Order: sequence, then C-alpha cells, then structure tokens
Amino acid sequence: QPVLTQSPSASASLGASVKLTCTLSSGHSTYAIVWHQQQPEKGPRYLMKLNSDGSHNKGDGIPDRFSGSSSGAEHYLTISSLQSEDEADYYCQTWGPGIGVFGGGTKLTVL
Amino acid sequence: QVQLVESGGGVVQPGRSLRLSCAASGFIFSTYGMHWVRQAPGKGLEWVAVVSNDGYTTYYGDSVKGRFTISRDNSMNTLYLQVDRLRPEDTAAYYCARGGGRGDWSLYYWGQGTLVTVSS
Repeated sequence: QPVLTQSPSASASLGASVKLTCTLSSGHSTYAIVWHQQQPEKGPRYLMKLNSDGSHNKGDGIPDRFSGSSSGAEHYLTISSLQSEDEADYYCQTWGPGIGVFGGGTKLTVL
Repeated sequence: QVQLVESGGGVVQPGRSLRLSCAASGFIFSTYGMHWVRQAPGKGLEWVAVVSNDGYTTYYGDSVKGRFTISRDNSMNTLYLQVDRLRPEDTAAYYCARGGGRGDWSLYYWGQGTLVTVSS
C-alpha cells in the first residue's frame, strides 16, 4: 500500500510564500494526491487534487494563492502571499486497493 | 450546497457500542462513495472506512476491521458507522466525507465531526 511522508512543521512570514512537500512511496508514482487544510478547531477542507497526468482539480472557493505541482515522487502545495488564516495543518491523502492513506500532516505557522 | 452533518458521538465505556450518523444534503447521495475518517486528540487524520455508492462494497482500516461497520441508507441520504467493542484508543473526532465518482477516493467534502470519548 502507498505511504505518504510529510514534514511535521513549516513556517513562513506573512505575505511570503511556502512550499509544502508530500513524498509518495516508491512504486506508486501513478497515484493521485489530494491536499486538505485543517484550520484550528475546525474540520478538514479539500484544497485540490493532483492527478498523475499533471492536471489538478481545485476545490470550490479555494483562492488562486494555493497551487499544486509534482515532480516524481514529490508532490507540492505552494501557498503564496501568506495570510494569517493560512496557519493550519495540511494533510496529503491518497488511496490504494481497498485502503485510504493520509500523510502525517504539516503544521504551518505564519510568522 | 453540499452539507454533511454528523451526530451520535458521546462518552461511552470501553467494550460498549455506538452508532454514528451522517446526514447528507446538496448532492445526489446515491451517486457517491462515502467515507469515515477519524482524528484522535492532537493527532493526524486516520482513514477508517468507505462504502460504495450502492452500499454493497465496503473496506476498512486495519485498526477497526471486525469492530466497525459502515453502511448507508440512500432513501434517507444518511451514512452510518456502527462502532462496537470500543477501546480507549478509539477516542477521536469522527468525520464523514464524500468521495468522487467510481474509484475516486478523493475526499471532496467533509462534515464538522462528532466526538467519541471512550472512558470508564
């Protein structure tokens, strides 16, 4: 089954950009990756899906400041022009035959 | 708009049971697979289970296999999670989430969660 690895924490200044990474285990390069945001004390929210063909599907109302990209086993979520409300936990997600998988999440601090 | 509203959580003793519900609206419920995801206090997200759009196919995470049962009632637009033989480590917020089309397990919409606390 696929395994997703994320750094536990990241930080960046207000107005700056940050790139979060999600690494997919080897042998699963064709799997789609989904990014979710969870603000403090709230339920998760779908941000976007990165397809293996390079296309992506962003969720309703997700600002253009949020973008995604991939390079091999590495999948990225880039947030530009950081705002205070972007301080949150970010999770990547995928699935294999009969199993759903989450990364451990990255806690983003906006300085 | 899509709405998912969970209910049924509470404080329960180890070994007991609960049934969680998720009322769905704003989309054609019978078209989509539905998932349960949980989050222990201070921890990350853990995928729990999925049921196909027609209710006939289900899959479970290893930590709940044999104790939890996911089901749905398409006539009532409601998703269920029967949680039996509860353990303290099942303490978590439980979220329902809507999948995509056939074979698409992207979690496009989430509920606000219902809290289950397992304690004597």
